[in-house]
Amino acid sequence: GAVVSQHPSWVICKSGTSVKIECRSLDFQATTMFWYRQFPKQSLMLMATSNEGSKATYEQGVEKDKFLINHASLTLSTLTVTSAHPEDSSFYICSARQAPYSGANVLTFGAGSRLTVL
Amino acid sequence: QKEVEQNSGPLSVPEGAIASLNCTYSDRVSQSFFWYRQYSGKSPELIMSIYSNGDKEDGRFTAQLNKASQYVSLLIRDSQPSDSATYLCAVTSNFGNEKLTFGTGTRLTIIP
Repeated sequence: GAVVSQHPSWVICKSGTSVKIECRSLDFQATTMFWYRQFPKQSLMLMATSNEGSKATYEQGVEKDKFLINHASLTLSTLTVTSAHPEDSSFYICSARQAPYSGANVLTFGAGSRLTVL
Repeated sequence: QKEVEQNSGPLSVPEGAIASLNCTYSDRVSQSFFWYRQYSGKSPELIMSIYSNGDKEDGRFTAQLNKASQYVSLLIRDSQPSDSATYLCAVTSNFGNEKLTFGTGTRLTIIP
């Protein structure tokens, strides 16, 4: 089945530094990827929709200059948390759907990246 | 009002019994409904999807959808300790829109 690889699985960084998280579709092409954030004991909140070759669409309240998303190819999307602060500590999860779109389809999730900002 | 609501639990069910998980949603035009299972520290994995009113069965799992009541449920028969997890209900507004809105999840514990 479809596999989405997310890296790194966990990262610890100092406040003020930037962290990049990669999301790769291993055996399919993903025109659209979604980035979610999940705080402890809370549900997944969509941060942005990443479209290959175009700018990402951010959800209300998500700072596009802080959470930089790049989807330069059909198999790779990256999320960069710039100038990270402790409140950015969270579980970041990407998901992707295959291309071409074939109907009401389900998404494939990456394993998630746990970010801890000291 | 939250768009997708679930009882946070915890819900404790004896091994072998039926676990019943419920979810309500606020957007009447919602078309696609999903149940995901999430183990602690892991990403969600899809259990069931349902798009039309009625029941849909897959092994020990049955999803039930009632669009008039804006209600979707998941039944787990013959519950196993490995079913202990948080179950997330997710909804999309229309076919082709994979922008999932998740509920807060119900934590299920199966007691051996």
